[in-house]
Amino acid sequence: DAGITQSPRHKVTETGTPVTLRCHQTENHRYMYWYRQDPGHGLRLIHYSYGVKDTDKGEVSDGYSVSRSKTEDFLLTLESATSSQTSVYFCAISGDQETQYFGPGTRLLVL
Amino acid sequence: SQQGEEDPQALSIQEGENATMNCSYKTSINNLQWYRQNSGRGLVHLILIRSNEREKHSGRLRVTLDTSKKSSSLLITASRAADTASYFCATENSGGSNYKLTFGKGTLLTVNP
Repeated sequence: DAGITQSPRHKVTETGTPVTLRCHQTENHRYMYWYRQDPGHGLRLIHYSYGVKDTDKGEVSDGYSVSRSKTEDFLLTLESATSSQTSVYFCAISGDQETQYFGPGTRLLVL
Repeated sequence: SQQGEEDPQALSIQEGENATMNCSYKTSINNLQWYRQNSGRGLVHLILIRSNEREKHSGRLRVTLDTSKKSSSLLITASRAADTASYFCATENSGGSNYKLTFGKGTLLTVNP
């Protein structure tokens, strides 16, 4: 998986609790992305980063925040998890602004 | 909103047959990419075709792009059971941020032994 790890790989949490997902890369790529994948919706972009401390919103950013304090780590935070945020979350990286390389995914269940 | 839309949503074929999947999109693009996703795994990049290209090959994969019709097709020749996966098209739209991709909902390909 091109030097990308995601943690945790599985998580069960309760509505209203904060959750942080971590994406770690060893490729020194500039661009990092967080997607969610849901049946019937495909892959949708939540937030992305184009450099350290440089982030921007994707199409489904409400309820999510991100931080990137160093090149290798991109954190996705659900401030107060809701059942609608139950999903599979994928991190991706890109070094050439074109091809993206995906992590293994995190399955999140919000009860 | 989704940019690419794959067709069909699901495709079942026998091993050795060819599989063709189509993708339509709405706005002008810089490039179009195809990705594969095996069940429970992350997406894997297969091939990229730029807006000024019409056809591209990679091994058993053949991709075509028709910018006048805003459509692309992915052909997998001599399919194998290991090709069973979901296939997604993704577009990098021209204008605006040029480092984001917009993914379609995917085609689920089943290759029966």
